[in-house]
Amino acid sequence: TQTVSQSDAHVTVFEGDSVELRCNYSYGGSIYLSWYIQHHGRGLQFLLKYYSGNPVVQGVNGFEAEFSKSDSSFHLRKASVHWSDSAVYFCAVSLYGNEKITFGAGTKLTIKP
Amino acid sequence: VTLLEQNPRWRLVPRGQAVNLRCILKNSQYPWMSWYQQDLQKQLQWLFTLRSPGDKEVKSLPGADYLATRVTDTELRLQVANMSQGRTLYCTCSAVRLGGNTGQLYFGEGSKLTVL
Repeated sequence: TQTVSQSDAHVTVFEGDSVELRCNYSYGGSIYLSWYIQHHGRGLQFLLKYYSGNPVVQGVNGFEAEFSKSDSSFHLRKASVHWSDSAVYFCAVSLYGNEKITFGAGTKLTIKP
Repeated sequence: VTLLEQNPRWRLVPRGQAVNLRCILKNSQYPWMSWYQQDLQKQLQWLFTLRSPGDKEVKSLPGADYLATRVTDTELRLQVANMSQGRTLYCTCSAVRLGGNTGQLYFGEGSKLTVL
């Protein structure tokens, strides 16, 4: 059974700051790792994913994530946040070839002006 | 571009009453359709993936019973019964590569259910 852990329920930073949202997973085998963003009252939107190759993947709106096999991690980063980045961020894992995606508990990112 | 249309978007559900949800796929390039539930604590959980018209599945989880049906290539339905706590149901779609998922889902805007 694959599991996804997001250790921070809440993260607060100032606009223009950098941010890192942490994700650790537990699974062996071929997996997809991904991040999604959910603004208040909306459905989730895909940000980026990793399957193989370059461990640093670029996503939309300046987000990137880095895969680390040794740490079993897939942390999301942004160099300079904007107020519109305030949302809940979900890390997710799925087995290659399997339809089910398992989500972490989410991290609520608050941007202060 | 909206890939999925869900209705109703909100519904007040008297305790003990069932509710029927509908999801319409707008782009056939993403044929795998699924339902996910999000509870009041924002936790997401996969419910079903129905790939072909005629597929049906049932599932009972804490707080609700579900019956999902893939009606056509573009329509997915979900009946929610015996709901004791509010939740939001999301329809999703995904592309298929080499017989498997791509690790990327597209979400509808959700159907938020509140128990009266």
